[in-house]
Amino acid sequence: QKEVEQDPGPLSVPEGAIVSLNCTYSNSAFQYFMWYRQYSRKGPELLMYTYSSGNKEDGRFTAQVDKSSKYISLFIRDSQPSDSATYLCAMSRGGSNYKLTFGKGTLLTVNP
Amino acid sequence: GAVVSQHPSWVICKSGTSVKIECRSLDFQATTMFWYRQFPKQSLMLMATSNEGSKATYEQGVEKDKFLINHASLTLSTLTVTSAHPEDSSFYICSARRGGLDQPQHFGDGTRLSIL
Repeated sequence: QKEVEQDPGPLSVPEGAIVSLNCTYSNSAFQYFMWYRQYSRKGPELLMYTYSSGNKEDGRFTAQVDKSSKYISLFIRDSQPSDSATYLCAMSRGGSNYKLTFGKGTLLTVNP
Repeated sequence: GAVVSQHPSWVICKSGTSVKIECRSLDFQATTMFWYRQFPKQSLMLMATSNEGSKATYEQGVEKDKFLINHASLTLSTLTVTSAHPEDSSFYICSARRGGLDQPQHFGDGTRLSIL
């Protein structure tokens, strides 16, 4: 079993739709959870950064972490064509261990 | 804030030459920088972690003599691919994080390396 599982998609939605992206993980030591957006031929851009369980909202984006289920989600409201990208979940143990463990990424296309 | 600049964005060179890639944190001091490699349609693979003023820590399977990393200041790290060959062609991405606990990594825009 991989440490982080993420459905690679591809996921195609119409403009304005609510998008739900998910990752599951197996290592209960993970404390910090991130979502990055990566456009083609670019580096990942940090979208959301959360600690432990709970919700965090930033504009059209909401990140949820459920540590009891080892499950994290990213919701995108009112999706736009500019949201078309690969979304990577990542997590780390925190403290002195800075290494990130990534999901494989989900390719999202928002159609106008 | 938290801007990371990577240069060059694209380089093409002949087999056997060495290539240097720079990674700079523009608006913060980066205690730790990371170098990744990414193959098409795959996730990022960590190559090494470097702390300012210390030797880099390489991941298992990464040749330290092939991929030389220098982290000479709190805002600059370099990756040199020595005697590059076609199999070294890839997308190389750096990231940087501030000092202190629990800071996220911020990524540069990557360097596309093509070895002919």
